[in-house]
This record gives sequence, C-alpha cells and structure tokens, in this order.
Amino acid sequence: EPEVTQTPSHQVTQMGQEVILRCVPISNHLYFYWYRQILGQKVEFLVSFYNNEISEKSEIFDDQFSVERPDGSNFTLKIRSTKLEDSAMYFCASSEARPGEGTQYFGPGTRLLVL
Amino acid sequence: EDKVVQSPLSLVVHEGDTVTLNCSYEVTNFRSLLWYKQEKKAPTFLFMLTSSGIEKKSGRLSSILDKKELFSILNITATQTGDSAIYLCAGAAAGSYQLTFGKGTKLSVIP
Repeated sequence: EPEVTQTPSHQVTQMGQEVILRCVPISNHLYFYWYRQILGQKVEFLVSFYNNEISEKSEIFDDQFSVERPDGSNFTLKIRSTKLEDSAMYFCASSEARPGEGTQYFGPGTRLLVL
Repeated sequence: EDKVVQSPLSLVVHEGDTVTLNCSYEVTNFRSLLWYKQEKKAPTFLFMLTSSGIEKKSGRLSSILDKKELFSILNITATQTGDSAIYLCAGAAAGSYQLTFGKGTKLSVIP
C-alpha cells in the first residue's frame, strides 16, 4: 500500500540553525500538507500546497517557514532560524482531493528537537 | 475559530469491553469529520463522515455523524490490547485545506 515517507525520523539542532524536513507524498496525490504536534498538544495545521503554490497557511507559518516541491516527488519544509518552541513532531500529509472530499494520509513524522 | 472537542481525554478498559469515544465540533462551512488512530507516530486514517446518520463500519470499529447536534461517535466493540492508542477526531471545512484536530482520546486496553 502506498504511503507517505519522511526523513529524517529525528533531528537535533541548535537554536538559530536552519533545518530542512523532507517528505515524499503518495505518488498520485495532488495536495500536500505540513502539520506539527508539540508534545502533549493537538496536531496543528501549518500549510497546504497545491499546484506548486501555497494554498493555505496558518498563523504559525510565519516568515521563518517555507515549503518547496523541488522535483516531482519531494516536498520539503524549511525552518530558517529555529527557535526552542519549534521543537515538535512534524507530520507531512498528502491527499488526492481537498480535505473533506479526500482523505489526508500522514507520514511517520520527524521529531525535531531545538537546543 | 473552528473547534473540535473530544471526550473523554483518556479511558482505561479491559479487553472485551465496548467503548464509545465522543467528538463535538464547531466548524464553519463544515464538510466532513475524520477519525484517525495514532499509535507511536503517524495518525492512520479510520473513517471520513460527511452525511448524518449513516454508520461507517470497519471490523469492530464503527462511527456515525450527527450534523444537527454537531457530534460524532466512534465505537469499538470487543476491544483488544492492539486498540490501545490515541484516537483523533478532525473537522474539515468546505473551501479550506486544513483539518482542525481535537486533543484526542487516549484509550488503554488492559488484558
């Protein structure tokens, strides 16, 4: 069964450093998402990406964040200058159709720890 | 602001018990409600509900949506230790790309 994959599974970085989290969505999916889950808290939406552009973003997704689909398979989330509060599990997801019309399938996540 | 509230937040049952997990939502332009199971890492999809009163079923799990009262329930019958997980409920709005999640219900099934 096709699945969303993410690398790395864990990332430790120093405050102020840049990190890039990588995702390979399911191949025939058109919509891509990033969510984060701070330990013990809700899963929160960050951004969605469709047709090579951001389709929606939350208040969390500020200028420190960017997303890119550099080729036909990868989808990346870049945090330019990490802060302690960016420590969280970051999930990538993809879907064939919009939420509510198609199911979002989640990857296994990247646990980011900012020291 | 859209909101999804789940109850209870945690639940401990014995194997073989039946459990009911609750999810209420306030989602503007509501389109559908989704249930996920989260074990160690990724939420895995269980059900998507868009119509009121139509039960969706998969093995021992079933779910139903009430769009008038703005809630959904997830039932698990004859629970097994493998059902131990956090169950997440999420709302989707028409015209939006995001899912709004509840805090989840942590279910522990003890032998």
